[in-house]
Amino acid sequence: SQKIEQNSEALNIQEGKTATLTCNYTNYSPAYLQWYRQDPGRGPVFLLLIRENEKEKRKERLKVTFDTTLKQSLFHITASQPADSATYLCARNTGGFKTIFGAGTRLFVKA
Amino acid sequence: ETGVTQTPRHLVMGMTNKKSLKCEQHLGHNAMYWYKQSAKKPLELMFVYSLEERVENNSVPSRFSPECPNSSHLFLHLHTLQPEDSALYLCASSQDVPDTQYFGPGTRLTVL
Repeated sequence: SQKIEQNSEALNIQEGKTATLTCNYTNYSPAYLQWYRQDPGRGPVFLLLIRENEKEKRKERLKVTFDTTLKQSLFHITASQPADSATYLCARNTGGFKTIFGAGTRLFVKA
Repeated sequence: ETGVTQTPRHLVMGMTNKKSLKCEQHLGHNAMYWYKQSAKKPLELMFVYSLEERVENNSVPSRFSPECPNSSHLFLHLHTLQPEDSALYLCASSQDVPDTQYFGPGTRLTVL
């Protein structure tokens, strides 16, 4: 079955540094991967989508990469701020109507 | 959050109660979803509706009953729930299925 794996351990970084989060998937490469942000007790918010034929995608301080050889996506936040503290979810389509989500990685940015 | 709204935001119910969760999307989307999110677990897809037709039913117990009267509204009817059903229930919508999803704020459900 298809899986999405994210580092379950929280990531603690200092303000101003770059945060890098990892998403690994199994089986065949999806047509695209998505990244969402979720704050405690709230619904996820869509951030970025990267397609299979795109190596890299950027949006302001965010950058996502997609490596079909490693079956991995990396999510970077540059010049991180305390307001970036949240849980970040990776998601993939399974080929049908389903999208499966990873458990998320909790990011803490210290001032 | 004004794109997808959910009511109530918090719900406490006994195991014998019947209640309903409501979701409304104001984005003109064609697909709507129900997810369950338990602590430290990935989102679990429960149901998917596309153009008001149920297209995915992810082995959900019959004590959860979805209803989609039109493309803007989605309900989740609850009856004789168990304490392990306590979780955050999230509604989402998207233009197509599958597609980028826009989530509501969720309903925090506690079953006593």
